[in-house]
Amino acid sequence: GQNIDQPTEMTATEGAIVQINCTYQTSGFNGLFWYQQHAGEAPTFLSYNVLDGLEEKGRFSSFLSRSKGYSYLLLKELQMKDSASYLCAVGLSGGSYIPTFGRGTSLIVHP
Amino acid sequence: KAGVTQTPRYLIKTRGQQVTLSCSPISGHRSVSWYQQTPGQGLQFLFEYFSETQRNKGNFPGRFSGRQFSNSRSEMNVSTLELGDSALYLCASSLPTAGEAFFGQGTRLTVV
Repeated sequence: GQNIDQPTEMTATEGAIVQINCTYQTSGFNGLFWYQQHAGEAPTFLSYNVLDGLEEKGRFSSFLSRSKGYSYLLLKELQMKDSASYLCAVGLSGGSYIPTFGRGTSLIVHP
Repeated sequence: KAGVTQTPRYLIKTRGQQVTLSCSPISGHRSVSWYQQTPGQGLQFLFEYFSETQRNKGNFPGRFSGRQFSNSRSEMNVSTLELGDSALYLCASSLPTAGEAFFGQGTRLTVV
């Protein structure tokens, strides 16, 4: 079966750094995705890691360790608009990149 | 470039009825996947279509079905609606060899 775990909720202060962890146990692996979803809106793509290591993209970075089944999303210089749900998803193999999602981490950024 | 378009945006149906939702992918994207999103279960994969063929399927009952047309547009159908089918249904399209999936705004289905 597929199991993707991430914390349900996190809070942080504007300007701070927050790390959202994700662990996974899946029958296949074709990369790990992070998506952001604001309330009432569609998920939007943040990052895709297929190899181990850190990928940096502006204020957001994503890390992957395939041997540990572990990833994290790092958000720096937090802004109020970063308050959203962050979804970790694993792409399963079999010729498809369709991701299987965790339940998401609701991040609340306060002043 | 137009994004993924889902219609309708909102629907209210009665238990026992059936419903059809539509999704138009981004031009050039041949893979279309459908998800159900509820507060308790998060985003759950329903099925994926590629070149008019169902390529992957999630763990949903046979009441949930879909199809894809030659222009890559996709529809999903839910028959004999139950209260528990109330959810946001999201469609995503992607290139067959790329990782990023682009989501539509979703159809909010309420079953009463």
